[in-house]
Amino acid sequence: GIQVEQSPPDLILQEGANSTLRCNFSDSVNNLQWFHQNPWGQLINLFYIPSGTKQNGRLSATTVATERYSLLYISSSQTTDSGVYFCAVGNTGFQKLVFGTGTRLLVSP
Amino acid sequence: GAVVSQHPSRVICKSGTSVKIECRSLDFQATTMFWYRQFPKQSLMLMATSNEGSKATYEQGVEKDKFLINHASLTLSTLTVTSAHPEDSSFYICSARGGRPAGELFFGEGSRLTVL
Repeated sequence: GIQVEQSPPDLILQEGANSTLRCNFSDSVNNLQWFHQNPWGQLINLFYIPSGTKQNGRLSATTVATERYSLLYISSSQTTDSGVYFCAVGNTGFQKLVFGTGTRLLVSP
Repeated sequence: GAVVSQHPSRVICKSGTSVKIECRSLDFQATTMFWYRQFPKQSLMLMATSNEGSKATYEQGVEKDKFLINHASLTLSTLTVTSAHPEDSSFYICSARGGRPAGELFFGEGSRLTVL
């Protein structure tokens, strides 16, 4: 099956700093999503981005499907950005998503 | 975005008992729902795909008789952990597709199961 690797596994930032999270996948995909898992376990949808670039406030994402990677940019980080960020991909016609290994982010004041 | 709701959010049970977790799509119909499991500090692993009106499809290594899935309506799927044991303690999360865009998955709040 498809493999999804995220980097870095852990990231510590000072409030206000910028960061880039990476998601590499081993096969072509037709579905890619980024999620933020908060301390209570809830998965928050950030982006649905099988290709192209999107922006939402301080967050933006780019997927280069031909090169099998996606990037999540966080600018001017805040303590509330702390948590685990997952990318998840699918390649079987809108069916299941396979989750990446996750990036654990801690933003300190 | 679409709303998916799970209940209960937390459950503690004794070893040997069965526990049922409900997953509802509140503002859309879902012919397919997905059940994931997450152990502490790990990623989410797909357990099974729940199909309305038919049998669930289980991932390799997931015991069908241990994790019973019923998808009796277009808005409700249930996961029953039968004869639960401490190793079944985990965070269970359901998901469903909510319309536009057609491929986007939305997740419930999750259910944390602790088996004593």
